[in-house]
Amino acid sequence: AQKVTQAQTEISVVEKEDVTLDCVYETRDTTYYLFWYKQPPSGELVFLIRRNSFDEQNEISGRYSWNFQKSTSSFNFTITASQVVDSAVYFCALSEYYGGSQGNLIFGKGTKLSVKP
Amino acid sequence: DVKVTQSSRYLVKRTGEKVFLECVQDMDHENMFWYRQDPGLGLRLIYFSYDVKMKEKGDIPEGYSVSREKKERFSLILESASTNQTSMYLCASSLGGDILNTEAFFGQGTRLTVV
Repeated sequence: AQKVTQAQTEISVVEKEDVTLDCVYETRDTTYYLFWYKQPPSGELVFLIRRNSFDEQNEISGRYSWNFQKSTSSFNFTITASQVVDSAVYFCALSEYYGGSQGNLIFGKGTKLSVKP
Repeated sequence: DVKVTQSSRYLVKRTGEKVFLECVQDMDHENMFWYRQDPGLGLRLIYFSYDVKMKEKGDIPEGYSVSREKKERFSLILESASTNQTSMYLCASSLGGDILNTEAFFGQGTRLTVV
């Protein structure tokens, strides 16, 4: 069955430290998409990135980078030189096609990141 | 910008009341979703809809129903509210159709308290 696991419930770092948020997924499909969302204290989930199952290239966007490895079913997220504004709950999610109802997003339980000044 | 709007930010209801949570999106999206978010449990899918009048159960549909009479509006209904339905409810929409890779856009959430 499809599943997303974020083993880290909470992480606390000091500003300027690098931090990696882990995400491991399970799916029966060969075609699927992975996402990361950020939920700041205001509550609204903000989309960060998507990655399809055929593209294992790593991606960097400013201080954010993502490492997708199909061999280990992982899609990890690294924040370099963390800042207080990065404090939020981060969710990894999986979207797959099955049974004619596509686009259903399955979320992990989230990792709460606290960045201290 | 895509906008997903939930009718209430905070709601307090009594046990046994019938509760309606409304969600409207303005980007002609096919898919709409209702999730609930609880500490330590992440986001759990209650129901989703991939077309008008179409709905499918998610992981935790018990005690809930939904209505999608118009494409832009997706309502979540608690037939008889109970205290264990106290939670944050999040509505989302995505493009849908045959496009698998579109992200979901979320509303600001409704924090429901059942007393």
